[in-house]
Amino acid sequence: GAVVSQHPSRVICKSGTSVKIECRSLDFQATTMFWYRQFPKQSLMLMATSNEGSKATYEQGVEKDKFLINHASLTLSTLTVTSAHPEDSSFYICSASQLAGTNEQFFGPGTRLTVL
Amino acid sequence: DAKTTQPPSMDCAEGRAANLPCNHSTISGNEYVYWYRQIHSQGPQYIIHGLKNNETNEMASLIITEDRKSSTLILPHATLRDTAVYYCIVRVPYSSASKIIFGSGTRLSIRP
Repeated sequence: GAVVSQHPSRVICKSGTSVKIECRSLDFQATTMFWYRQFPKQSLMLMATSNEGSKATYEQGVEKDKFLINHASLTLSTLTVTSAHPEDSSFYICSASQLAGTNEQFFGPGTRLTVL
Repeated sequence: DAKTTQPPSMDCAEGRAANLPCNHSTISGNEYVYWYRQIHSQGPQYIIHGLKNNETNEMASLIITEDRKSSTLILPHATLRDTAVYYCIVRVPYSSASKIIFGSGTRLSIRP
């Protein structure tokens, strides 16, 4: 099956710094990538939809200036958490939708962000 | 996308069949039923999907009622590795903008 990777898998940073998370589709081209956030014992919450070469569409309540999304190529999307604070500590997961075929979505393994 | 309703938790003995129900009474004609699972601290894993016919693959079987208002995911011989949160989702797959909105899911515990 199609493989989606995320880097880093874990990151710890100080409050006020920015953190970039990469999402890559390894063996297919993805026109659309999605970013989710998951707090402990909760379900995944969709943050934004990212289309290659265009601006991301953010879900209601998600601050677009805080969570910067770039989808510069058909295999890479990045999420930058700007001026991170402890409340941004969470599990961030991306998914990628194939360019061809049934547009199925494949999920990455997730990135655990801890802000001190 | 239509909403789904699942029991918050279930348990099953190892080696037995695990039957996970899902209600989706407002499903539209072009929406498919999808099942994903999430093992602790990992990304969701696709299990199976179907439109109206029953489906089976190497992981599970999906039984969809004739009126399509509910479905059951069956893990035929549950193992400890099947312990996870299982999500039932309805969506139209043939759209690049089709979002997956996760509900609360069912936390399945497999007991030895």
